[in-house]
Amino acid sequence: GESVGLHLPTLSVQEGDNSIINCAYSNSASDYFIWYKQESGKGPQFIIDIRSNMDKRQGQRVTVLLNKTVKHLSLQIAATQPGDSAVYFCAEKGGGGATNKLIFGTGTLLAVQP
Amino acid sequence: DTGVSQDPRHKITKRGQNVTFRCDPISEHNRLYWYRQTLGQGPEFLTYFQNEAQLEKSRLLSDRFSAERPKGSFSTLEIQRTEQGDSAMYLCASSTIGTRNNEQFFGPGTRLTVL
Repeated sequence: GESVGLHLPTLSVQEGDNSIINCAYSNSASDYFIWYKQESGKGPQFIIDIRSNMDKRQGQRVTVLLNKTVKHLSLQIAATQPGDSAVYFCAEKGGGGATNKLIFGTGTLLAVQP
Repeated sequence: DTGVSQDPRHKITKRGQNVTFRCDPISEHNRLYWYRQTLGQGPEFLTYFQNEAQLEKSRLLSDRFSAERPKGSFSTLEIQRTEQGDSAMYLCASSTIGTRNNEQFFGPGTRLTVL
């Protein structure tokens, strides 16, 4: 079946460095992708999204890149801060529009060292 | 706080008991979703409502699970005859047609522990 997965379960970075979190997806029909941040004891928080007709989208300190050829998604965080420490999930809207459910990957723990 | 709220935040129950969780979506959001999340995993979709209509159900939603949204506002998720495998975080999210790509806003979750 369709799935979304992450290459790295844990990423440790120094404060001020840039972070890159990667994600692979398998459903080539998906047309919408989202990155969520989840802190301990809280629900997922929207960070940034991208539609399949785009390759790159930038937000405040974050950039999402989409490579449809290899079905790969990445989240770049510039000047990582201790407050960025959390689990990051990529998600796709399953079915390419036929459904509103989100399919999540297993998550990457980002640990920011001061 | 005008975000999604869930009640209770924590629930401990004995195997075989029934439990019910409540979700209050963001005001006027017409779509409401339930997800289940186990430790170290991403949330898994359970079911979705548009107004009071339950439009989609996952295969994960066994016959022991039932969700309702009777007036198109708050929703309840009931688990009957709980099993230890039901222990998880149950997340609720809401969205509205017209929001950027129907962005889903998540609540804090209800953590269920079945002993």
